[in-house]
Amino acid sequence: LAKTTQPISMDSYEGQEVNITCSHNNIATNDYITWYQQFPSQGPRFIIQGYKTKVTNEVASLFIPADRKSSTLSLPRVSLSDTAVYYCLVGPLTGGGNKLTFGTGTQLKVEL
Amino acid sequence: DTGVSQDPRHKITKRGQNVTFRCDPISEHNRLYWYRQTLGQGPEFLTYFQNEAQLEKSRLLSDRFSAERPKGSFSTLEIQRTEQGDSAMYLCASSNFSWLAESGKVYNEQFFGPGTRLTVL
Repeated sequence: LAKTTQPISMDSYEGQEVNITCSHNNIATNDYITWYQQFPSQGPRFIIQGYKTKVTNEVASLFIPADRKSSTLSLPRVSLSDTAVYYCLVGPLTGGGNKLTFGTGTQLKVEL
Repeated sequence: DTGVSQDPRHKITKRGQNVTFRCDPISEHNRLYWYRQTLGQGPEFLTYFQNEAQLEKSRLLSDRFSAERPKGSFSTLEIQRTEQGDSAMYLCASSNFSWLAESGKVYNEQFFGPGTRLTVL
C-alpha cells in the first residue's frame, strides 16, 4: 500500500502558480497518481491523473519524475475559488479501495 | 453537480438505531464506491461494486455495515446499531471503469456525490 505524504497547508495569492508536491516512496509498478479537490461540505472532485512524465488538462498539470517517488500538482494562476483541500492518491486503477487511500490532504488558501 | 445524488443529505439518529443511505450513480457507470469521511481527514474507503457484484470491502469495516446494489444501479448503505463513532460524512462515488487490454490503458475517474452527514447522538 503506497503511503502518501503532502504538506498540511499552503498559502498563495491570486494569479500565482501553486505547486503541491506529494511523496510516495513505495509506489508500485502498476500504481497511478490521481489528484482530487474538495470544498467544504462537498464530495471530492477529480482534477488530474497520470502514470509518468507530464500530464496536462484544462485546469492543472501533473509532473511525475522518472523514479515516480513523488509527484507535483501545478495550478496555474490560482483564484480565490481554488481555496480547497487537495488530495493525492496513489494506487492501481484496476482494483478497489483497499489499495487506493486518501491521505489528510493539503489545505490551499488563496488570498487577494 | 456531478450527476451522483445521495439521500438523505443529513441524518440525525440515536445510538443503537439502524440507518440506511441511498446513492444514485451516473446512469451508465458500472462502478460504485462508498467512503466515510470525518472532520480533517480524507475519505476512507468502505466498499465498492462492479455492476451488482460487491468486489471489495475495507478490511477495517465492521459487520454492522452492509451495502447492496441489487440491480447494478442505485446502492444502499445500512449501518445497524449505530454508535457515536459512526458520525461522519458518507460519500458515494461512481465511475465508468474501462480497461483496454491491448493498450493497457485504464480509465477509472470517480465522480462523487454530495454526501450524507450522519450524526449519532
